[in-house]
Amino acid sequence: DVKVTQSSRYLVKRTGEKVFLECVQDMDHENMFWYRQDPGLGLRLIYFSYDVKMKEKGDIPEGYSVSREKKERFSLILESASTNQTSMYLCASSSVQGTSTDTQYFGPGTRLTVL
Amino acid sequence: AQTVTQSQPEMSVQEAETVTLSCTYDTSESDYYLFWYKQPPSRQMILVIRQEAYKQQNATENRFSVNFQKAAKSFSLKISDSQLGDAAMYFCAYIGIQGAQKLVFGQGTRLTINP
Repeated sequence: DVKVTQSSRYLVKRTGEKVFLECVQDMDHENMFWYRQDPGLGLRLIYFSYDVKMKEKGDIPEGYSVSREKKERFSLILESASTNQTSMYLCASSSVQGTSTDTQYFGPGTRLTVL
Repeated sequence: AQTVTQSQPEMSVQEAETVTLSCTYDTSESDYYLFWYKQPPSRQMILVIRQEAYKQQNATENRFSVNFQKAAKSFSLKISDSQLGDAAMYFCAYIGIQGAQKLVFGQGTRLTINP
């Protein structure tokens, strides 16, 4: 089974802090994604990566950056956290090969609260 | 840009009954994939069912089936013999095969199962 893990289930930070959310997948997937989930808005893509050291902006990249130094790990960084970044953050990964093409597998999510 | 719309924020059904969740989407692409994802309370999002647009036959997975109407751009999910474990947020999602593998999600439908 594909396993996607996220470093924290719950996180509380203060405004202005630098925040790191980490995601690790164990299936050698090429693609990794960061989403933000808010009630009534569904999931919105923040950033994604097709390969190591490669990143592309999603639909709502403002206020976020990412890092992918190793294939299995994809980090989301909030340079200076703000209260409007309080949300659930979901990481996902997918392969570009085989019958699982395009199916994304999700981590458990990190519920971030910025005070 | 592609959009996905779930017009039912909440649905409820009696245990053992059948329920249908609605989803419509907008795209100019001719080939794509559609998905239904399930997110149980405080648990990981998992894939329920997936449909390739070029396939005429509606996908089924045990008690879950879809009604895919390509011309109408409609992709509804039918859950038969509803069980308490089916209670969750359900998200409809779209991905095109051209360009970036970006999932576009609907707003979600919260399904409650009444015992």
